[in-house]
Amino acid sequence: QKEVEQNSGPLSVPEGAIASLNCTYSDRGSQSFFWYRQYSGKSPELIMSIYSNGDKEDGRFTAQLNKASQYVSLLIRDSQPSDSATYLCAFPGGGNKLTFGTGTQLKVEL
Amino acid sequence: DVKVTQSSRYLVKRTGEKVFLECVQDMDHENMFWYRQDPGLGLRLIYFSYDVKMKEKGDIPEGYSVSREKKERFSLILESASTNQTSMYLCASSLSRGALVTEAFFGQGTRLTVV
Repeated sequence: QKEVEQNSGPLSVPEGAIASLNCTYSDRGSQSFFWYRQYSGKSPELIMSIYSNGDKEDGRFTAQLNKASQYVSLLIRDSQPSDSATYLCAFPGGGNKLTFGTGTQLKVEL
Repeated sequence: DVKVTQSSRYLVKRTGEKVFLECVQDMDHENMFWYRQDPGLGLRLIYFSYDVKMKEKGDIPEGYSVSREKKERFSLILESASTNQTSMYLCASSLSRGALVTEAFFGQGTRLTVV
């Protein structure tokens, strides 16, 4: 069974700081990775897709992929209270399915 | 923008009722999925479909069935609702690109309560 692990948190950071979220996965052959943000009571929203080793930046978000070590991370710069949410990582779980982590709860404090 | 629309945001049903949850996507995606999400358990895949009239069981198919008669529509059916099926139900869709697994886009979710 393909697995993904995330620290459930909560991870608390002060406003303006960098939040660092991590995810490890079991399948070395995975070629694509995704980060989703989920506000309480809402559905997951895609925020980053990453397909190759290295960093991918989109605004205040940077996804970092290290296939050799089988981890993917998400950095959120200049964290804002509106970033407070649960962040889910996902990777291919066989066929066209995605396997999701259970999520890390992020709290950005004023 | 991809739009995945679920027919109901909130639903309350009685034990033993047959329940239909509908999902429609407007981006011509081949793949469609039904998940349920419960506190502490994360997203669990119930059923998925790669094409019209095709379906495959996910991790927790018991008590559920699905129907995909048209490419844009994927229905989840609770044959006889039970209280342990009280949950948030999430529909998602994604594009097929050969061996590359692509991102899934979610509907707004249906919070189902079975009483």
